[in-house]
Amino acid sequence: KAGVTQTPRYLIKTRGQQVTLSCSPISGHRSVSWYQQTPGQGLQFLFEYFSETQRNKGNFPGRFSGRQFSNSRSEMNVSTLELGDSALYLCASSLLWRGSGNTIYFGEGSWLTVV
Amino acid sequence: GQQVMQIPQYQHVQEGEDFTTYCNSSTTLSNIQWYKQRPGGHPVFLIQLVKSGEVKKQKRLTFQFGEAKKNSSLHITATQTTDVGTYFCAALSPLSGNTGKLIFGQGTTLQVKP
Repeated sequence: KAGVTQTPRYLIKTRGQQVTLSCSPISGHRSVSWYQQTPGQGLQFLFEYFSETQRNKGNFPGRFSGRQFSNSRSEMNVSTLELGDSALYLCASSLLWRGSGNTIYFGEGSWLTVV
Repeated sequence: GQQVMQIPQYQHVQEGEDFTTYCNSSTTLSNIQWYKQRPGGHPVFLIQLVKSGEVKKQKRLTFQFGEAKKNSSLHITATQTTDVGTYFCAALSPLSGNTGKLIFGQGTTLQVKP
């Protein structure tokens, strides 16, 4: 079956703009998490959604937001982009929410460059 | 907040040599997971350890979870060039409750010289 699909794969934005990234989880998976990966900070947890509800949120400013739709697809939005937002944004899906110990599967990520 | 420390940050080995990366936490962990990320790729789940003192093997990879559930290690025997990549540990803290908030170590990047 298809893996986690993230779009777009690569994008370049200008400071001050906003961006929306999309994630389609593996069919049947209801939990979607988002992570930011940068060389300096590693993998940082952004937020997790399960059944359209945000379950947990990482330590990121309010410019970072997300949502999940009834079909489990998720989007994350970053407003008023800053240079430091340049990163690989990874989406991960799992069958149930993580506390059940399910394996999570990462998508290939969306490479965002802010200039 | 909860932190998972992973060492070393980088490791260069000659093909055929062994490799070990370590993860340490100051607090007890519910479980620990290991991921591998190839250059330019995305993290791929390798294994999850849940029980105190648990040891699991995948071919040349051996994963251990400490008795106190505060540390873990990944050992690769006789490295091959296909082992190149960054290995991450990721922990689910009891404080996280039933959430997806995995806390990742900084990763160990392995280079293998043929």
